[in-house]
Amino acid sequence: GENVEQHPSTLSVQEGDSAVIKCTYSDSASNYFPWYKQELGKRPQLIIDIRSNVGEKKDQRIAVTLNKTAKHFSLHITETQPEDSAVYFCAATPFSGGYNKLIFGAGTRLAVHP
Amino acid sequence: SQTIHQWPATLVQPVGSPLSLECTVEGTSNPNLYWYRQAAGRGLQLLFYSVGIGQISSEVPQNLSASRPQDRQFILSSKKLLLSDSGFYLCAWTSGTNEQYFGPGTRLTVT
Repeated sequence: GENVEQHPSTLSVQEGDSAVIKCTYSDSASNYFPWYKQELGKRPQLIIDIRSNVGEKKDQRIAVTLNKTAKHFSLHITETQPEDSAVYFCAATPFSGGYNKLIFGAGTRLAVHP
Repeated sequence: SQTIHQWPATLVQPVGSPLSLECTVEGTSNPNLYWYRQAAGRGLQLLFYSVGIGQISSEVPQNLSASRPQDRQFILSSKKLLLSDSGFYLCAWTSGTNEQYFGPGTRLTVT
């Protein structure tokens, strides 16, 4: 089945620096790759996603890139702010007959220091 | 707009007691529904998903079960809780497209 690996598990940056989180997936038929942000004690929130027919997508300070050949995708956060501190999860949707299952990475704890 | 509700928000139950968690979705019809569990400081484990009334698929064998008695209602149950059942239980939905949205969650502590 699909497996998603996420690195690093923890990331510490200074305010204003950039942060990059990387994920690899195993199922070449996967076609949808969302990223979620989870603040302490709260639900995961969808922050950006990318589909397999697109190589890059941006939304203000966040961007996601996808390399289908290498089967990896990355989240880029520029000009980080303390409120970006959270756990970030990547996910991939393997082909599952329309059930839209998501396979999640283990998460990256991002700390942005003022 | 669509809204997803979960209750209760928090729950403390003794080992061996039964469990019933409820999830309802508003503003959409025929959604795909999902139950996840998140242990403290860990990732998201898919437990069950459902593509329609009475249709349940289990991802992980365990002492939990799920039911979907109505189109927008998803219930997670257990006859006898274990200590290892403690965690943050999240319901999620999708409708048509891949975007998956989570409910506010139920924090379960088994003592």
